[in-house]
Amino acid sequence: GAVVSQHPSWVICKSGTSVKIECRSLDFQATTMFWYRQFPKQSLMLMATSNEGSKATYEQGVEKDKFLINHASLTLSTLTVTSAHPEDSSFYICSAGLEYRAVSTDTQYFGPGTRLTVL
Amino acid sequence: KQEVTQIPAALSVPEGENLVLNCSFTDSAIYNLQWFRQDPGKGLTSLLLIQSSQREQTSGRLNASLDKSSGRSTLYIAASQPGDSATYLCAVRSDGDKLIFGTGTRLQVFP
Repeated sequence: GAVVSQHPSWVICKSGTSVKIECRSLDFQATTMFWYRQFPKQSLMLMATSNEGSKATYEQGVEKDKFLINHASLTLSTLTVTSAHPEDSSFYICSAGLEYRAVSTDTQYFGPGTRLTVL
Repeated sequence: KQEVTQIPAALSVPEGENLVLNCSFTDSAIYNLQWFRQDPGKGLTSLLLIQSSQREQTSGRLNASLDKSSGRSTLYIAASQPGDSATYLCAVRSDGDKLIFGTGTRLQVFP
């Protein structure tokens, strides 16, 4: 099956610094990628939809200036957490769809996640 | 706004039992529903995908059913094993390509 990778798998940073997380589709092109965050023992919450070559669509309540998303190619999307604070500590997971359609029955392929800890 | 709820939140059973995990969603206008497995600190593994026109899907000891009109899905696990211990998430696709996830069921199967 299709493979999605994330880098780094975990990161620890100081409060106030910025952290970049990469999401790559290894063996397919992904027009659309999705970014989720997951707090301990909670479910995944969609943060934003990343479309190649255009601006990301953020879910309500997600600060677009804090969580910068760039989808510069069909195999790479990045999430940058700017001026990170301890409350940003979470598990960030990306996923990639094979293609974007108005009515889609395809599955999404999920990355292994990135554990962010902000001290 | 689509909301997805899973019951029970946690389940602990002895090995060999047959299990039923429940998922309910508020908006029946969905494209499909998926069940995922998540091990602690790991990403998601897709288990079963049910299209909106289908009633059930089976894979090995897993069987998932979908009743779209009532907004419900169940995941049936036969002859549970300790290796089945994980968090099980259901997710529905109802708005473009967005997946809305349920609250999850943490399953522990003990020997």
